[in-house]
Amino acid sequence: GNSVTQMEGPVTLSEEAFLTINCTYTATGYPSLFWYVQYPGEGLQLLLKATKADDKGSNKGFEATYRKETTSFHLEKGSVQVSDSAVYFCALSHQAGTALIFGKGTTLSVSS
Amino acid sequence: KAGVTQTPRYLIKTRGQQVTLSCSPISGHRSVSWYQQTPGQGLQFLFEYFSETQRNKGNFPGRFSGRQFSNSRSEMNVSTLELGDSALYLCASRSDRDRANEQFFGPGTRLTVL
Repeated sequence: GNSVTQMEGPVTLSEEAFLTINCTYTATGYPSLFWYVQYPGEGLQLLLKATKADDKGSNKGFEATYRKETTSFHLEKGSVQVSDSAVYFCALSHQAGTALIFGKGTTLSVSS
Repeated sequence: KAGVTQTPRYLIKTRGQQVTLSCSPISGHRSVSWYQQTPGQGLQFLFEYFSETQRNKGNFPGRFSGRQFSNSRSEMNVSTLELGDSALYLCASRSDRDRANEQFFGPGTRLTVL
């Protein structure tokens, strides 16, 4: 079946450090891939998405590239800020109208 | 455009009671999905409604049910509450014109079962 695996946290970084959160998936065909972020006490916010192989999603300095050959969608940011501290979820959707399948989430803590 | 709203934001119930949660989607969105978030199981899909019909269902017992009204607002009901039902319940809406299945989430309802 479809599944998403993302790196276990927590990830602890200093401000301005480089961030990578790994995400790999298992799915047939070409699912859409997403990164969502959840700040304390809030719901999920879509951070970025990619719908086909080699697409790069980007938003607020975050980037992720849809790699079909490695079934990966790693999240990166060149310089993290304290305000980026949150839980990050990788997710896939195999087709419109079906459930989002989420990874377990990775907690990011950035200190100044 | 207003986002997805959920009421109430917090609920405390005791075992055996039932609870109803409400979700109002983004204007124009006809698809509403519900997810349960717990520390142990993460985010799990409960069900999806589209045009007042349940279109998709996750692997939850029949105590979990839902419905959708003609204005696309949705309610979720949990009967005979168990301690393990304590969770953050998230509602998400989607435009049926979006083939990528991008879903917009509300702030959630935090349910505590004592």
